[in-house]
Amino acid sequence: AQTVTQSQPEMSVQEAETVTLSCTYDTSENNYYLFWYKQPPSRQMILVIRQEAYKQQNATENRFSVNFQKAAKSFSLKISDSQLGDTAMYFCAFMKHGANNLFFGTGTRLTVIP
Amino acid sequence: DAGVIQSPRHEVTEMGQEVTLRCKPISGHNSLFWYRQTMMRGLELLIYFNNNVPIDDSGMPEDRFSAKMPNASFSTLKIQPSEPRDSAVYFCASSLGGKAGLYNEQFFGPGTRLTVL
Repeated sequence: AQTVTQSQPEMSVQEAETVTLSCTYDTSENNYYLFWYKQPPSRQMILVIRQEAYKQQNATENRFSVNFQKAAKSFSLKISDSQLGDTAMYFCAFMKHGANNLFFGTGTRLTVIP
Repeated sequence: DAGVIQSPRHEVTEMGQEVTLRCKPISGHNSLFWYRQTMMRGLELLIYFNNNVPIDDSGMPEDRFSAKMPNASFSTLKIQPSEPRDSAVYFCASSLGGKAGLYNEQFFGPGTRLTVL
């Protein structure tokens, strides 16, 4: 079974600063996908970034980037130049290659302080 | 595209009543997922369908829960009888699904917040 752990229930960051959210996972699979989802107060789940396990290069999407350490089974999210709109719950998630179901962590509540 | 549509957005009911949550996936998507989100357990997959057929229902908590997908554009999640511990946000998501080995992004609906008194 796959497990995803987010050890930071809450974090805060000053506007325009950088923050890193942690995620670790446990799996015996060699090929899989990892995701970060954002859930703002509207409740909508929004995909922020995706990483394929077979790719060594870390994924980036504008101000969002990941640090993927496959051997350590670590997948952290870095948000640069934090904006007030980044305030949300952030969920790390895992999907086995060839499967359809996502396994989520418990989330990190991020607050961007003006 | 309107995205994944869920109804109702909020539901308040009394213990013992039947509750039906509805989902319309994105047109053309052939995989549909039902998730439950609670403070205690986070986001959990309840069941998912591929081409209207239930593929994995191992996350369905108990027999009080049932899900159907009578056609490609509609799915229901029913709880009968409902209990206070069923209070949660229920999300529906859809994806293109399809070929093994390919990643297909799941698009989530806005969720239904269920409160069972």
